[in-house]
Amino acid sequence: AQSVAQPEDQVNVAEGNPLTVKCTYSVSGNPYLFWYVQYPNRGLQFLLKYITGDNLVKGSYGFEAEFNKSQTSFHLKKPSALVSDSALYFCAVREGGRRALTFGSGTRLQVQP
Amino acid sequence: NAGVTQTPKFRILKIGQSMTLQCTQDMNHNYMYWYRQDPGMGLKLIYYSVGAGITDKGEVPNGYNVSRSTTEDFPLRLELAAPSQTSVYFCASTERGVRDTEAFFGQGTRLTVV
Repeated sequence: AQSVAQPEDQVNVAEGNPLTVKCTYSVSGNPYLFWYVQYPNRGLQFLLKYITGDNLVKGSYGFEAEFNKSQTSFHLKKPSALVSDSALYFCAVREGGRRALTFGSGTRLQVQP
Repeated sequence: NAGVTQTPKFRILKIGQSMTLQCTQDMNHNYMYWYRQDPGMGLKLIYYSVGAGITDKGEVPNGYNVSRSTTEDFPLRLELAAPSQTSVYFCASTERGVRDTEAFFGQGTRLTVV
């Protein structure tokens, strides 16, 4: 069975500093990995995905994620955080042959001015 | 282009009542999904559909039913509401299998069962 873990309920970072939101996954085959962001009272919005190829994936709003197969991780990163990045971030995974995504429990990112 | 539209946005139900959560998408996506979001628990898949007339159970289907008579619409039915169904419900769609395309989500329906 596929699963995703986001070990941090909340991440606090000062504006202008780099940020990392952690994600580890478990699948039986090759993983398809995604990051989504949720702003208050809104649905989830797609940020980026890893399917195959380069381990560093670039996405929307300056976010990127690094796929590490040996550590089964897919951490979300941004070189310089903005206050407007404050939101709830979800990591998701799908293994080949499955129909739908499995989501992590979410990490709340708080960027302080 | 509206994307995925869910109605209602909020609803309070009494135990034992029934209701239908509506979901429609205008992107001609074949795949549609219903998730529920509980605090600190991420999203759990309730039902999904790979096309009109085809539906299948997800992780937490008990207490729910779905139908898919058209490509655009994917309503979720609660027959006998229970407090355990208090949650935020999200409908989503993808162009083909979610394997390599991103999912588009509606704004959610916040349901409280009292």
